[in-house]
Amino acid sequence: DQQVKQNSPSLSVQEGRISILNCDYTNSMFDYFLWYKKYPAEGPTFLISISSIKDKNEDGRFTVFLNKSAKHLSLHIVPSQPGDSAVYFCAAREGGGADGLTFGKGTHLIIQP
Amino acid sequence: DVKVTQSSRYLVKRTGEKVFLECVQDMDHENMFWYRQDPGLGLRLIYFSYDVKMKEKGDIPEGYSVSREKKERFSLILESASTNQTSMYLCASSFDKNTEAFFGQGTRLTVV
Repeated sequence: DQQVKQNSPSLSVQEGRISILNCDYTNSMFDYFLWYKKYPAEGPTFLISISSIKDKNEDGRFTVFLNKSAKHLSLHIVPSQPGDSAVYFCAAREGGGADGLTFGKGTHLIIQP
Repeated sequence: DVKVTQSSRYLVKRTGEKVFLECVQDMDHENMFWYRQDPGLGLRLIYFSYDVKMKEKGDIPEGYSVSREKKERFSLILESASTNQTSMYLCASSFDKNTEAFFGQGTRLTVV
């Protein structure tokens, strides 16, 4: 049973516009959420995270929003740039343990010139 | 600068071989992890370790074992490689459960 779901395998956005990547989760024990970016043949790179005590975290062009009641989070990239083309993974961790992250299947973001 | 290093970028091994994938981190992190990434399946946790000589099974441990003799090094072992273990393997480490994990560059393993 998939606990972290990214329902859009791919997303195409024009350069300069906003990219919105969505993620849903089912495990109410998750209390820490992260977004990673991955280029082909490279390891994932950490982008931004949010704790369950917050509903928004911002870092430059990247903002993550968390809606706990809906068990939904989203990553906003504004403005989108060609270098943002990559696969984006949503990840979550349960509170109270040292378990690894649970990842979604990823969304391939394509920035069109 | 944070560094997680995996010993090989690409490996080709034969079915039945014993395969060792090595990972070293230089950040004095307690936690280390092994994931595999497959198209359409995302990243799946194989094993993790939260201390030297400690290990815990992740979601897909079958066919794998791990070793953590030193804090900075975490090895993934394929006891008898099979073609369904052809994948991208990713090592990661984190300071604790409330901080981000840092990933190595990945090892693309092909079992023929």
